[in-house]
Amino acid sequence: KAGVTQTPRYLIKTRGQQVTLSCSPISGHRSVSWYQQTPGQGLQFLFEYFSETQRNKGNFPGRFSGRQFSNSRSEMNVSTLELGDSALYLCASSLGQAQSTNYGYTFGSGTRLTVV
Amino acid sequence: AQSVTQLGSHVSVSEGALVLLRCNYSSSVPPYLFWYVQYPNQGLQLLLKYTSAATLVKGINGFEAEFKKSETSFHLTKPSAHMSDAAEYFCAVSRTGANSKLTFGKGITLSVRP
Repeated sequence: KAGVTQTPRYLIKTRGQQVTLSCSPISGHRSVSWYQQTPGQGLQFLFEYFSETQRNKGNFPGRFSGRQFSNSRSEMNVSTLELGDSALYLCASSLGQAQSTNYGYTFGSGTRLTVV
Repeated sequence: AQSVTQLGSHVSVSEGALVLLRCNYSSSVPPYLFWYVQYPNQGLQLLLKYTSAATLVKGINGFEAEFKKSETSFHLTKPSAHMSDAAEYFCAVSRTGANSKLTFGKGITLSVRP
């Protein structure tokens, strides 16, 4: 079956702009999580959505937001981009039930965002 | 709060040698533990996971890890390294339950010398 699909793969934006990233989870997976990966901070949790509701959030400013649609696809938005937002943004899907951690998380290939 | 410590940022081994990547965790509740591998310009691929069943966990590509509660460790091993094992490896911890996020270590880059 198809894996986790993230679009676009690469993105270049200017400071102050806003950006939207998309993630399509594995069919049947209802939970989508987003992570930011940078050389300095490593992999950091942004937020998780389950059945269109945010149920867990990391320590990121309000410029970072997301949403999930009824088909479980998720989007992440970053407003007023800063140079420090340059990173690889990874999406992960899981079944999302209480036992979801038993199955692990499947990651997409990521979106490489460069802010200039 | 949970955390993961991966000592060292880079490990180099010869092809055919033992691979040992260390991971120590801190968790106030019984943890779930994971090892992921990341190849350049790609996402994370799950190697193996510990979810409170057997303490010795076998994963893909010949990797295995042993959960040792007394040492709070979950080290990753492979008896014989291949050139294709060169990548970055991340250990991660998660708590049980629905509101579980992955907390990652800083990662270790594995180089394999011919």
